[in-house]
Amino acid sequence: GENVEQHPSTLSVQEGDSAVIKCTYSDSASNYFPWYKQELGKRPQLIIDIRSNVGEKKDQRIAVTLNKTAKHFSLHITETQPEDSAVYFCAASPSGGSNYKLTFGKGTLLTVNP
Amino acid sequence: EAQVTQNPRYLITVTGKKLTVTCSQNMNHEYMSWYRQDPGLGLRQIYYSMNVEVTDKGDVPEGYKVSRKEKRNFPLILESPSPNQTSLYFCASSPGTGLLSYEQYFGPGTRLTVT
Repeated sequence: GENVEQHPSTLSVQEGDSAVIKCTYSDSASNYFPWYKQELGKRPQLIIDIRSNVGEKKDQRIAVTLNKTAKHFSLHITETQPEDSAVYFCAASPSGGSNYKLTFGKGTLLTVNP
Repeated sequence: EAQVTQNPRYLITVTGKKLTVTCSQNMNHEYMSWYRQDPGLGLRQIYYSMNVEVTDKGDVPEGYKVSRKEKRNFPLILESPSPNQTSLYFCASSPGTGLLSYEQYFGPGTRLTVT
């Protein structure tokens, strides 16, 4: 089955700096890669996702890049703010419309220091 | 309000006593799923359902059962709970069609303790 490795497990940055979280996956059939943000005591929420036919996607301060050859994808957050502090999870799925099996990484605790 | 609800939100039980955690969504989503979240292990998928009467195993299905008799409900059943099933459980649903088909909407979570 799919295996998703996520690094680092913890990340501390100063407000205004950039943060990068990296994930690798094992199943070459995976073609959908979402990122979820979970604030303390709350439910995970989707912040951005990318499909395998796209190499990069950006939404304001957040961007995701995908390298299918190397089987890795990354989350980039620019101009970090204290409210970006949370646990971030990457995930991979072979969802091609017929399968919704989703495998998550173990998460990265991001702390943005004011 | 569009939402996924779970009940109960907190549950303390004893080993071997059967329990059910309910999950309901009012968004007419085709896809539903159950996850458990444990410190240092992230979110792990237990079971998922593509539609009514269609379910499949995730990565950690042992000790759990599910059913999907109605589109809106997807209960999680622990026939004989054990302490290693102490965890935070999330139900999620997804549209299943269209451009936004893959976004998962999570419920508020159920914190289960098995003693």
